[in-house]
Amino acid sequence: DAGITQSPRHKVTETGTPVTLRCHQTENHRYMYWYRQDPGHGLRLIHYSYGVKDTDKGEVSDGYSVSRSKTEDFLLTLESATSSQTSVYFCAISESAGEGGREKLFFGSGTQLSVL
Amino acid sequence: KQEVTQIPAALSVPEGENLVLNCSFTDSAIYNLQWFRQDPGKGLTSLLLIQSSQREQTSGRLNASLDKSSGRSTLYIAASQPGDSATYLCAVNPWGGATNKLIFGTGTLLAVQP
Repeated sequence: DAGITQSPRHKVTETGTPVTLRCHQTENHRYMYWYRQDPGHGLRLIHYSYGVKDTDKGEVSDGYSVSRSKTEDFLLTLESATSSQTSVYFCAISESAGEGGREKLFFGSGTQLSVL
Repeated sequence: KQEVTQIPAALSVPEGENLVLNCSFTDSAIYNLQWFRQDPGKGLTSLLLIQSSQREQTSGRLNASLDKSSGRSTLYIAASQPGDSATYLCAVNPWGGATNKLIFGTGTLLAVQP
C-alpha cells in the first residue's frame, strides 16, 4: 500500500467551528489531492497541490482552504464547518500528472467528518 | 462540462460469471481514464489506467477498454469471485499533463454471490 496516512479517521464537530484534516505521505510524490465523497455525487475534488506552497482549487472549494509547507503534508481546513460539509474526505497522491503512466492516484483510507 | 456516468448502479451475479461494467463520458477530449475499486469503509485502489492513445489494458482477470470517439469505457471481469465484491469507479482526466484532476463517476456496486 502507498504510504498515506489521514488523521483523524473520524471526527464529530459543531457547526461554526474550524476543523483541520491532515494527510501525510511517505512516497515523496509531488501531487496531492483532497476529495470528498457523498452519496449520489461520487468523489469531487476540493483542492490539489502540485508542489510545496503550490495549490489550486478544485470543483467544490468554497468553504475550504489548504496548505502544503512540506512535501509530505497536505492540510485541509474547514474555516467554519457547516452541516453540508458532513462527508467522507479522501486524500490522494500521484507521482506525476501526465508523464507516461506515472499519474496513477493512490488514496488514503479517508476521514469521516460529521458536522452537527 | 465533463460528466461521467456508470450504469448500472448495482449488479449482482453468481460466482464464476464473466461480467462487464460500463462507464461513459460526455467529452472525448480526455488524457487518460482510470478504473478504481473501493471496499466498504476503505479508500480507493487503482486497478487500471488507460492512456488516450491506448485501446485497452489488462491486469490478471481484469480488462479495461477505451473508445474515446464514443465516450465509453468498459471493465471486463473474468470468472468473477466473491472477493471481487466492491464498488467499481471510473474516472477521467480531462486536462492532463499538468494537474491530473480526475472526474469520477458514481460507481457500480458489484455483489458476487457464492
